Amino acid sequence: DSGVTQTPKHLITATGQRVTLRCSPRSGDLSVYWYQQSLDQGLQFLIHYYNGEERAKGNILERFSAQQFPDLHSELNLSSLELGDSALYFCASSVEGRREDTQYFGPGTRLTVL
Amino acid sequence: AQKVTQAQTEISVVEKEDVTLDCVYETRDTTYYLFWYKQPPSGELVFLIRRNSFDEQNEISGRYSWNFQKSTSSFNFTITASQVVDSAVYFCALSRLSNTGKLIFGQGTTLQVKP
Repeated sequence: DSGVTQTPKHLITATGQRVTLRCSPRSGDLSVYWYQQSLDQGLQFLIHYYNGEERAKGNILERFSAQQFPDLHSELNLSSLELGDSALYFCASSVEGRREDTQYFGPGTRLTVL
Repeated sequence: AQKVTQAQTEISVVEKEDVTLDCVYETRDTTYYLFWYKQPPSGELVFLIRRNSFDEQNEISGRYSWNFQKSTSSFNFTITASQVVDSAVYFCALSRLSNTGKLIFGQGTTLQVKP
């Protein structure tokens, strides 16, 4: 158990809908990262938050947004969902958010868009 | 461009065989970090090792060992005397930007260890 929690574990929804994925980092970690794992794209970095502020952005679609709250939990919002958004979404956390920090991953949320 | 390549898509071995998973990376940075993660069938990503670009010492942890060669931009992972529980997808990843731990992952190598 990495100490990172993600809810829900599974999510099934329809095209055009909006969903929110939630992540709680390990105790003491200030950084939260979101990654998307799909069969065609592999594991892709989406976004990094450090202590409430956006630190880095990857190839995150405009339909996707994220935030980190004062209690350090984070939410990833996905809207106008398309079939291609079906994937496993991972949250990871690290102490500071520097390149040398080890990221510990949550169990993931499997999103299925029908 | 920054890139991580794991050329072996799938490897199948019989239990107790040794197996090496290859990882080749591209970066122009002098300071960077390399990681290996394991993704068992249950789906979670489990951290295995972190190595910085200035430390070329090989590392051994039980049946696992890692060979980092800066000259060939490779960070290979060997499992000695493989076991069925080693069956998983293994990912190599690169982290290079000083102010973020953004990881660039390879495509992963699926290892199947047969009894």
